[in-house]
Amino acid sequence: EAGVAQSPRYKIIEKRQSVAFWCNPISGHATLYWYQQILGQGPKLLIQFQNNGVVDDSQLPKDRFSAERLKGVDSTLKIQPAKLEDSAVYLCASSPLNGANYGYTFGSGTRLTVV
Amino acid sequence: TQLLEQSPQFLSIQEGENLTVYCNSSSVFSSLQWYRQEPGEGPVLLVTVVTGGEVKKLKRLTFQFGDARKDSSLHITAAQPGDTGLYLCAGFAGGVNDMRFGAGTRLTVKP
Repeated sequence: EAGVAQSPRYKIIEKRQSVAFWCNPISGHATLYWYQQILGQGPKLLIQFQNNGVVDDSQLPKDRFSAERLKGVDSTLKIQPAKLEDSAVYLCASSPLNGANYGYTFGSGTRLTVV
Repeated sequence: TQLLEQSPQFLSIQEGENLTVYCNSSSVFSSLQWYRQEPGEGPVLLVTVVTGGEVKKLKRLTFQFGDARKDSSLHITAAQPGDTGLYLCAGFAGGVNDMRFGAGTRLTVKP
């Protein structure tokens, strides 16, 4: 089965610019997640969708980050304007409804560098 | 403050040695998962443990879930260079899809 697809793989932008990341989850997975992984740390959940509804966005910096999941399939994560501290790998993952039993499948991530 | 504390943070060993890494918390988890992440890739699921005291084996890897479901360990026997990577534990403390990661143990196995 095809994995979770993410693009781009790498992005370098200047601070105060905007950037968008795209994710295509595994077909049939109801739940989609965006994680931020800063160098040397574990992934931190930014937002969780179930189908096309937001389940948890408590750790999403809503003044600059936004995300949507149109039609309950693909998702985009946007940062506007970017700050230096946003430099990180942005991981997308998907799972069936019961991710606790089946685990999450992650994409390869987008490495963002803000200069 | 991390919900899950992993130790050690870094571990460098020679091929053939055994090692154990730990994942501890003050919270009770309904289930816990271990992932391995290689550079430039996303984490890959190794195992899910659900029952307190549960032990699961995956070839040379042995995973244990604590009796109180607050901690877990990963033991690797006869480590190989291919085991090199970041080992992450992740626990479900709330809803079925509320998973939080530890900071990971970065393992290097030298040939």
